[in-house]
Amino acid sequence: EIVLTQSPGTLSLSPGERATLSCRASQSVGSRYLAWYQQRPGRAPRLLMYGSSTRATGIPDRFSGSGSGTDFTLTISSLEPEDFAVYFCLQYASSPRTFGQGTKVDIK
Amino acid sequence: QVLLQESGPGLVKPSETLSLTCAVSGGSISSSGFYWGWVRQSPGKGLEWIASIYHSGNTYYNPSLKSRVTISADTSKNKFSLRMTSVTAADTAMYYCTRDLGSGWSEEAFDVWGQGTKVTVSA
Repeated sequence: EIVLTQSPGTLSLSPGERATLSCRASQSVGSRYLAWYQQRPGRAPRLLMYGSSTRATGIPDRFSGSGSGTDFTLTISSLEPEDFAVYFCLQYASSPRTFGQGTKVDIK
Repeated sequence: QVLLQESGPGLVKPSETLSLTCAVSGGSISSSGFYWGWVRQSPGKGLEWIASIYHSGNTYYNPSLKSRVTISADTSKNKFSLRMTSVTAADTAMYYCTRDLGSGWSEEAFDVWGQGTKVTVSA
């Protein structure tokens, strides 16, 4: 199965700063089969991005995704208070679908 | 707006069988192109896809759990279920039911999530 490794484990930033999160796959997932999720405490994950760079319905444009092959990035251009959460990547290029272990974005 | 609501026992004894149900509202599990499934989350293993089903009855399982898991759907009640046998403490987790993006492909991103149901395996 494809292993996803996210970095850093924790990102400490202030509101208004730019966040850059990485997701690296153990083998290529192409350019389309990578999604990003946000999870706030006590809540289910919420789909942010799919197809590597397509925002899900209702997701603000401060969120952007990029990458292909084995290296993907989620960027939050200017952190809002509600963006402090845990972010997961998901690959769906091959079965079983697998998730990264998460990056926590917390307030500095 | 599709909503998913899990229900389950909360506490299961080791070696017993876990049964979970997901009630779907605001949409039909018979809708073309959508797969319905289960994902769990534990502190030790993180997020893990368990199984998915299409309304036609086609099922898909994570090989790591396939021997112990059965997913099924009741289109007349607009619900789908998960059955996991021989549970151990390692199965303690939050269990989410999900719907995918609806591309018609069996391996798709999970779009809609239920709120989750906590399952603890303990004597």
